[in-house]
Amino acid sequence: DQQVKQNSPSLSVQEGRISILNCDYTNSMFDYFLWYKKYPAEGPTFLISISSIKDKNEDGRFTVFLNKSAKHLSLHIVPSQPGDSAVYFCAATSSGYSTLTFGKGTMLLVSP
Amino acid sequence: DTAVSQTPKYLVTQMGNDKSIKCEQNLGHDTMYWYKQDSKKFLKIMFSYNNKELIINETVPNRFSPKSPDKAHLNLHINSLELGDSAVYFCASSQGMGNTEAFFGQGTRLTVV
Repeated sequence: DQQVKQNSPSLSVQEGRISILNCDYTNSMFDYFLWYKKYPAEGPTFLISISSIKDKNEDGRFTVFLNKSAKHLSLHIVPSQPGDSAVYFCAATSSGYSTLTFGKGTMLLVSP
Repeated sequence: DTAVSQTPKYLVTQMGNDKSIKCEQNLGHDTMYWYKQDSKKFLKIMFSYNNKELIINETVPNRFSPKSPDKAHLNLHINSLELGDSAVYFCASSQGMGNTEAFFGQGTRLTVV
């Protein structure tokens, strides 16, 4: 039972354009959401997070949007850079549960 | 200076063997985890420890035994390895439990032949 879904296994974007990665969740108890970036043969690296009391959080080129009614969040990267090419994992947790539930990941390829 | 380090990075072993993976964090965190990434690429929680106490054991076979000698270490021992145990195992740590980010090690790719 996938509680966090990333329905796009891959995304290709040109350098300088916007990358939009999507994530859906089913568990209404989730109230904290995170995005991780993962390069091959490395562990996931924390990128950005958002609490359910917000609908947007921004950090430099990265912005996460949360739509609680739709149980949907997205990560926007603008402008995209070739170094952003990696697998991006969406994760969710709740204040009453200590661990992260991950999506399957979306591989982003940013071409020059 | 690596924040969460795990050894070894690669491990190839035969079925039936017993092996251990070590994990250390120098972030001063009080919570540590083991996650497993299987062939379908899902990252799933196996264990969670807070202040050396087991908090979560997500229906992992009892062939897997975590041990936390102190807050900075969480080792994973696996008995009687099976082919299906082949996966990438990630150690992680966080400060507190709940709504906080976890920091991951580089992973250990275990191959059982």
